[in-house]
Amino acid sequence: DQQVKQNSPSLSVQEGRISILNCDYTNSMFDYFLWYKKYPAEGPTFLISISSIKDKNEDGRFTVFLNKSAKHLSLHIVPSQPGDSAVYFCAARVLNTDKLIFGTGTRLQVFP
Amino acid sequence: EAQVTQNPRYLITVTGKKLTVTCSQNMNHEYMSWYRQDPGLGLRQIYYSMNVEVTDKGDVPEGYKVSRKEKRNFPLILESPSPNQTSLYFCASSWTGPPYNEQFFGPGTRLTVL
Repeated sequence: DQQVKQNSPSLSVQEGRISILNCDYTNSMFDYFLWYKKYPAEGPTFLISISSIKDKNEDGRFTVFLNKSAKHLSLHIVPSQPGDSAVYFCAARVLNTDKLIFGTGTRLQVFP
Repeated sequence: EAQVTQNPRYLITVTGKKLTVTCSQNMNHEYMSWYRQDPGLGLRQIYYSMNVEVTDKGDVPEGYKVSRKEKRNFPLILESPSPNQTSLYFCASSWTGPPYNEQFFGPGTRLTVL
């Protein structure tokens, strides 16, 4: 049973526009949510996180939104750049542990 | 240079032959973790360690062991590898557990179990 879901396996966005990556979760026992980026043949890169008591966290071009009632989070990238083309994973931390549950990833392609 | 190293980078082995993938970091980080990446399944956390001699299970710990006898090293042990453990493995380190200010990943170890 997948507790963290990324239902869009891929997304294509034009350079300069907004990229919105989505993630849904089914378990209320998560206290933090994280986003990672991964390029081929490289290790993942931690991008941004959000506490379950917040609804928004922003870091430069990246903003994560959390809708607890809908059990949904999203990562907004504005403006999108070709270098943002990668696979993005969302992850959720199980309450009071350091255990992470990941989604299956969304491949973002930013084209000129 | 701050880095996380993994060895070997590539390994082909046979079912049942014990193996160890080493992970070492030079940043004096307290927190280390192991992940595996598989097509269609994404990233999955195997084990993590909050400090020396303190480890705990991640999402998919079955078939794996870890140890943390020194702060800098966090080896992943497969006592009896099986083909379903064929995967790309990543080790990572950070000052704290999630949520991180920063997390460093190793280059990955591609393991094939025949």
